[in-house]
Amino acid sequence: DGGITQSPKYLFRKEGQNVTLSCEQNLNHDAMYWYRQDPGQGLRLIYYSQIVNDFQKGDIAEGYSVSREKKESFPLTVTSAQKNPTAFYLCAVGQGFGNTIYFGEGSWLTVV
Amino acid sequence: KQEVTQIPAALSVPEGENLVLNCSFTDSAIYNLQWFRQDPGKGLTSLLLIQSSQREQTSGRLNASLDKSSGRSTLYIAASQPGDSATYLCATQYNFNKFYFGSGTKLNVKP
Repeated sequence: DGGITQSPKYLFRKEGQNVTLSCEQNLNHDAMYWYRQDPGQGLRLIYYSQIVNDFQKGDIAEGYSVSREKKESFPLTVTSAQKNPTAFYLCAVGQGFGNTIYFGEGSWLTVV
Repeated sequence: KQEVTQIPAALSVPEGENLVLNCSFTDSAIYNLQWFRQDPGKGLTSLLLIQSSQREQTSGRLNASLDKSSGRSTLYIAASQPGDSATYLCATQYNFNKFYFGSGTKLNVKP
């Protein structure tokens, strides 16, 4: 939403391949999040980061990795260890406690 | 673990009708509750944020209420329009990283 850019919008992954989803923000917010959404289900937290060079696992971190080298960027890598990666991935940013979180437009990942 | 439930999963109404979407949560120790709108294949757009100390928030034709003691929130949409057709999700916040999302109510407003 607004200053959050996710790319690519659509991505196809072959078996055994690692792929990276990009999330960039210009809202100057400290917190960034990655969520996974499966059809008809709520969002599940993969990873989150409160500050640069620090990130924490969410509820479903297995098979995923992240980095936070810059405040503006929080890329997500879907590794070959993630057995069921086909889903809609959403990046969000926020200012922490009690504040609204803002979402990007999402990225669709499909295994072929 | 917090569970957030939204009923019904889908709702179809004629244009102009006032409607209520429901959200219930199991643990009342929340900091806030948010309502979001999601269009097909898109990200979530924040509609209303209610802090735990508040009872309701209003924005245009939307009004959200919060009753922590009963673990319930409602989103009231007045004079619904076809453009309101989307999926509406609620989410509770517990701490910095803990947001629990419902699975949403898919609303269809028929012209």
